[in-house]
Amino acid sequence: DAKTTQPPSMDCAEGRAANLPCNHSTISGNEYVYWYRQIHSQGPQYIIHGLKNNETNEMASLIITEDRKSSTLILPHATLRDTAVYYCIVRDDKIIFGKGTRLHILP
Amino acid sequence: EPEVTQTPSHQVTQMGQEVILRCVPISNHLYFYWYRQILGQKVEFLVSFYNNEISEKSEIFDDQFSVERPDGSNFTLKIRSTKLEDSAMYFCASRVGTTTNTGELFFGEGSRLTVL
Repeated sequence: DAKTTQPPSMDCAEGRAANLPCNHSTISGNEYVYWYRQIHSQGPQYIIHGLKNNETNEMASLIITEDRKSSTLILPHATLRDTAVYYCIVRDDKIIFGKGTRLHILP
Repeated sequence: EPEVTQTPSHQVTQMGQEVILRCVPISNHLYFYWYRQILGQKVEFLVSFYNNEISEKSEIFDDQFSVERPDGSNFTLKIRSTKLEDSAMYFCASRVGTTTNTGELFFGEGSRLTVL
């Protein structure tokens, strides 16, 4: 089973920052936090990952708490195309998907 | 940008028939995966493959399923005798990672299997 807990759904206004939380209280020291998303029925898409430092790329930022028990994915300026299911995953080898957070971007 | 490609995009088959789903992973990738997603449900791990052998498989991946990398570029999933409950979207994925726990997975767009 997935080792993470996410809210089932969230809304965000277009143009605003979307902050998606994730709890992973049982994470071990060498496990990374990965975020993926799935737009409609397309293949899952990698967004970002991190170990303990905050990370930023062209898609998003990842903030990991100091104790590594939770993290937040930030989409800085959400657009309608960011409507998707977002998955927070603690990684050993294979990716195990939970139910994720269904993010609705509101016009 | 390199991508994982899957064929066919949609296959309709009769119950009991054999089906082969094909994937071409990204060329320098070493780890390969199959996942499936039944309509309206979450994405489920089926099998991982490395160094020409299965490294891990889930309970779903029973004797009816097999995987093969026949020629160094294709990665196939075979279902020997399809059942109605095999109807799903099947996703192939690959990653370059030289060790476990690293490297993002790149997913294909999926093959939709409909079993009648």
